[in-house]
This record gives sequence, C-alpha cells and structure tokens, in this order.
Amino acid sequence: EPEVTQTPSHQVTQMGQEVILRCVPISNHLYFYWYRQILGQKVEFLVSFYNNEISEKSEIFDDQFSVERPDGSNFTLKIRSTKLEDSAMYFCASKIGISANTGELFFGEGSRLTVL
Amino acid sequence: AQSVTQLDSHVSVSEGTPVLLRCNYSSSYSPSLFWYVQHPNKGLQLLLKYTSAATLVKGINGFEAEFKKSETSFHLTKPSAHMSDAAEYFCVVSDYGGATNKLIFGTGTLLAVQP
Repeated sequence: EPEVTQTPSHQVTQMGQEVILRCVPISNHLYFYWYRQILGQKVEFLVSFYNNEISEKSEIFDDQFSVERPDGSNFTLKIRSTKLEDSAMYFCASKIGISANTGELFFGEGSRLTVL
Repeated sequence: AQSVTQLDSHVSVSEGTPVLLRCNYSSSYSPSLFWYVQHPNKGLQLLLKYTSAATLVKGINGFEAEFKKSETSFHLTKPSAHMSDAAEYFCVVSDYGGATNKLIFGTGTLLAVQP
C-alpha cells in the first residue's frame, strides 16, 4: 500500500541551527501539506503546496520556514534558525485532489524535532 | 470559521464495552468532517469521513459516526471496544475558506481500553 514517508523520525538540534525535514509523498498525489503538533496541543496546519508553489500558509509559517520540492519526489520543510518553541512533531501529508471527495489526506508517521 | 470541539480529553472503557467519543463542530456552511486515529509512534490514519452524503458513516475497524446537524455533533462510536483500539482520536473539519481545504483538528481524545 502506498504511503507517505518522513525522515528523520527524530532529530535533536541546538537552538539557532538549521533543520531540514524530508518527506516523500505518494507518487501520484498533487497536493502536499505540513502540519505540526506541539506536545500536548492540537495538530496545526502550517502550509500547503501545489504546482511547485505555496498555496496557503498559516500565521505560524513565518520567514523562518520554507518548503520546496527539489526533485519531483521529495518535499522538504526547512527551519532556518530553530527556536525552543519549534520543538514539535511535524507531519507531512499528501492528497490526490483538492476536494474532500477526491481522496483522503494521507499522513506520514511524523518527524519529532527537539530543540535544546 | 470552522472549528471542532472534542468534549473529552480522556476516555477509558473496558474491553467489549461500547465506545463513545464526542465531537461538536462549528461551521459557516455544510461541513466535511473526519475522524483520524493516531496509535503510539504512528502517523495519523483516517477512520471515516462525512461529506454530505449519508449521515451515518461507517469506517474502518467497526467504527461509525453520525452527523447530526440539529445538534452540530459528529460523535464516534463502536459497539465493542478491543484492546487494539487504544489510541488518540482526532475529530477534524475541512476548512473550505482557504485555498486548499486544509484540515482543522480538535484537541484529541485519548482512548484507554482496560482488559
């Protein structure tokens, strides 16, 4: 069964360091998302990506964050200079189409980021 | 704006007894609603979804949910809990106000199943 894969599963970094979280969405999917879940809090939308550009982003997704699809298969989330409050589980997700009726949103298992 | 409220942060049931996880929604228009499950150290898996078709929706692993517009509810039920049902469950609404129908999650309900 096709699945969304994320690496690394867990990363520990020092405050101020750059972090790149990687995702391989399902191959025929067109819409890509990043969500995050701070420990004990709800899952929050960060950004969506379609046709090689950001479609929508939340207030959380400030200038420290960026996404790209460098090679047609990977979908990456970069945090330029990590802060303590960036510690969270980051989920990548992908979907075939935009409507709720055009397939479900498939999530990866998450990348846990710990900023010290 | 769309939102969901999960009324219980923790629910504990005995194996073989019914499960009820409560969710109320708020939406400016006819919503699309989902239940996702997250097992420990696993990703988020779709249990079921409501998209304005039948109000009683059946999902995987024997779960079902009923959309009740008059009560703005979308509670998740299962007749008989199994140990493997222990997980965190998220009620989710699709936000049609944005460009990409992003999902808005509830705070989650942690289901414990006692032997």
